[in-house]
Amino acid sequence: EAQVTQNPRYLITVTGKKLTVTCSQNMNHEYMSWYRQDPGLGLRQIYYSMNVEVTDKGDVPEGYKVSRKEKRNFPLILESPSPNQTSLYFCASSSGLANYNEQFFGPGTRLTVL
Amino acid sequence: AQSVTQPDIHITVSEGASLELRCNYSYGATPYLFWYVQSPGQGLQLLLKYFSGDTLVQGIKGFEAEFKRSQSSFNLRKPSVHWSDAAEYFCALPVQGAQKLVFGQGTRLTINP
Repeated sequence: EAQVTQNPRYLITVTGKKLTVTCSQNMNHEYMSWYRQDPGLGLRQIYYSMNVEVTDKGDVPEGYKVSRKEKRNFPLILESPSPNQTSLYFCASSSGLANYNEQFFGPGTRLTVL
Repeated sequence: AQSVTQPDIHITVSEGASLELRCNYSYGATPYLFWYVQSPGQGLQLLLKYFSGDTLVQGIKGFEAEFKRSQSSFNLRKPSVHWSDAAEYFCALPVQGAQKLVFGQGTRLTINP
C-alpha cells in the first residue's frame, strides 16, 4: 500500500531533550516536506527536500533540522525542543513539483514539550 | 502575497442538509487549488483539485467545488452531508513551483444527528 509513515505518533518530552521524528514514504517520491499544524493557523511548512541531499527552509524553520540521506526517509530533528514547538506535525511527499501534483500526507505526530 | 482564507472556523449542519465551505485565495496568476479533509486522528486526504479547464470540479465522497475567478473563491459543496463527514477541511494553494502548499486556517465541520 502506498503510504507515508511517521513515528512516533505521540510524544511527550521535556525542554531541551533532543528528539527525532521519522518519516518514510514507499512511493519513490522525490519531493518531501514537513508541516506543523496549530489551531487557527492551518498548516505551515517547516522544511522541504526536492531530492536526496537537497533541503531548504520553509516558512517556520527555526528550531528544526532535517536530513535527506535516502530518497524514502526525511527525519525531522529538534535538537533542543521548547514548549512553543508543541504542535501536530505532518510529513508529506509528492512525485514532483508540478503545481497539480498531489502531496500525500502521513498520519501526523502529536508532540508535547513540557 | 499568496494566501488562502477560510472565513468559517466552525460550521454545524444537520445530517442530510446541504453544505458549503468557503475558501478565498490571493494569487497573482491562475491558481491551482486543493481541498483536503482531516478526519479525527488521521492525516490529510485529498478531496479534489482544480488546475485548469472546467470550473466545477468533482471529488471523492460526493464533494464538489467551484472555482470563481471573479470572486477569488473555491468553495466546497456537498448536497447532503453524512455523519461521517464530520472533520476538519482545509483549502490549499501550491506556490513557488509547488515547493509548498499554503493552507487556509481550516474549517471544522460538526454534524448534528
